[in-house]
Amino acid sequence: RKEVEQDPGPFNVPEGATVAFNCTYSNSASQSFFWYRQDCRKEPKLLMSVYSSGNEDGRFTAQLNRASQYISLLIRDSKLSDSATYLCVVNWAGTASKLTFGTGTRLQVTL
Amino acid sequence: DTAVSQTPKYLVTQMGNDKSIKCEQNLGHDTMYWYKQDSKKFLKIMFSYNNKELIINETVPNRFSPKSPDKAHLNLHINSLELGDSAVYFCASSQGRRGSNEKLFFGSGTQLSVL
Repeated sequence: RKEVEQDPGPFNVPEGATVAFNCTYSNSASQSFFWYRQDCRKEPKLLMSVYSSGNEDGRFTAQLNRASQYISLLIRDSKLSDSATYLCVVNWAGTASKLTFGTGTRLQVTL
Repeated sequence: DTAVSQTPKYLVTQMGNDKSIKCEQNLGHDTMYWYKQDSKKFLKIMFSYNNKELIINETVPNRFSPKSPDKAHLNLHINSLELGDSAVYFCASSQGRRGSNEKLFFGSGTQLSVL
């Protein structure tokens, strides 16, 4: 079983739609969680951290379910510019050198 | 004023050659990394350096040798290139000793193609 698993997609949604991605992780000792965004042929960039109580940043909402070992990312009112690959990232050791990346979920927002 | 810059952006070379990729960060971070992203988009850490000291060396062939002349630079030298080395290599950095701050800043990547 992969350490971090994501549905690769692609998710094709119209502008304005709400879309959600899930990610599961295998290490129950995982301590911190993140979503990164990677545009085509570009570097990954941190989108948001994921906190136990859930957190929101504008149109983006991240949630964590430790019991089921999954995290989610909800995007409301999708924009064309949201088209990218979203990488789920999990850390079991509290240092950046132990970050484990999922292979990403590709989102394509269309007119 | 790019935060993490790596060169070259593209590298096309023949099997068996030796090549280097350079990385520099101007963020004042203590920790730098090399990641490899293969054709399936799987991003995996290769090396981590903290202030010129190697702290992570994942299962990477010894044909790959990182070198950190100072904490702002981390270069990657690859000997005897093989077809399977074709991938995108990302340099990254983070604040804090031994990467205690988990936010990574990535360079724009080097697409290596071995023919």
